[in-house]
Amino acid sequence: EIVLTQSPAITAASLGQKVTITCSASSSVSYMHWYQQKSGTSPKPWIYEISKLASGVPARFSGSGSGTSYSLTISSMEAEDAAIYYCQQWNYPLITFGAGTKLELK
Amino acid sequence: QVQLQQPGAELVRPGASVKLSCKASGYSFTSYWMNWVKQRPGQGLEWIGMIHPSDSETRLNQKFKDKATLTVDKSSSTAYMQLSSPTSEDSAVYYCARSGGTGDWFAYWGQGTLVTVSA
Repeated sequence: EIVLTQSPAITAASLGQKVTITCSASSSVSYMHWYQQKSGTSPKPWIYEISKLASGVPARFSGSGSGTSYSLTISSMEAEDAAIYYCQQWNYPLITFGAGTKLELK
Repeated sequence: QVQLQQPGAELVRPGASVKLSCKASGYSFTSYWMNWVKQRPGQGLEWIGMIHPSDSETRLNQKFKDKATLTVDKSSSTAYMQLSSPTSEDSAVYYCARSGGTGDWFAYWGQGTLVTVSA
C-alpha cells in the first residue's frame, strides 16, 4: 500500500500570501490528484493528473511534482481558499488519500 | 450536467445490513467507473472500492472485502453499496464518486449519505 503523507497538517496564510502544500508518497506514483473540501460539503476535484486544474478552479492554483513528491501551490491566498486539501493516488489495486491539509485564513 | 444523487441519511440498527444508493444522470452510466468513499466524522477520506457498470467488474479495497458489496442497476443508472453487519465503526458519510476519463481520479461526487449505526 502506498502511503501519502501531507505536510503541513494545518497551516494559516494571510491574504495574498503564497501557499504550498506537499504530498509525499511512500513509493513512486505516476499521477497525483488533489481535492478541496469545505465543512459539511463533498470533496471537489481540484487538480488532477499532477497539474491539470479541474473545471472552475482559479488559475492561482497550480500542481507539480513527480515520483514520490508532489505539491499544490496557491500563488496568492484568497479567503475562499480556506479549506481542507487532500491528495490522492491510484497504484493498482489500491487508491489511497493523504490525511489532508487544513488551510486557514490568518 | 453530471449528477450523482444520494439519500441524505440512513439510520441503521447494529447488525442489520443497509444498502446505499447513488443515482447517476447526465452521462453514459456504463462508461465510467463508480467509486465509493468513506469519511468518518472529522476524519479523512478512505476508498472502499469501484465498480464498472458495463460488466459489474469490481475492485475492492481489501480492508472492506467482508463489509461492502458493490452492485449496479443499469436500467435505472443506479449504483449501490451494501454494508453488512454494521457497527459503530461504520457510522460515517459515504460518497459515491464517478471516475474521470483516465479512471484513477474522482471527477464527480455525490452529496454523501450519512449512515448512523445505532440501536
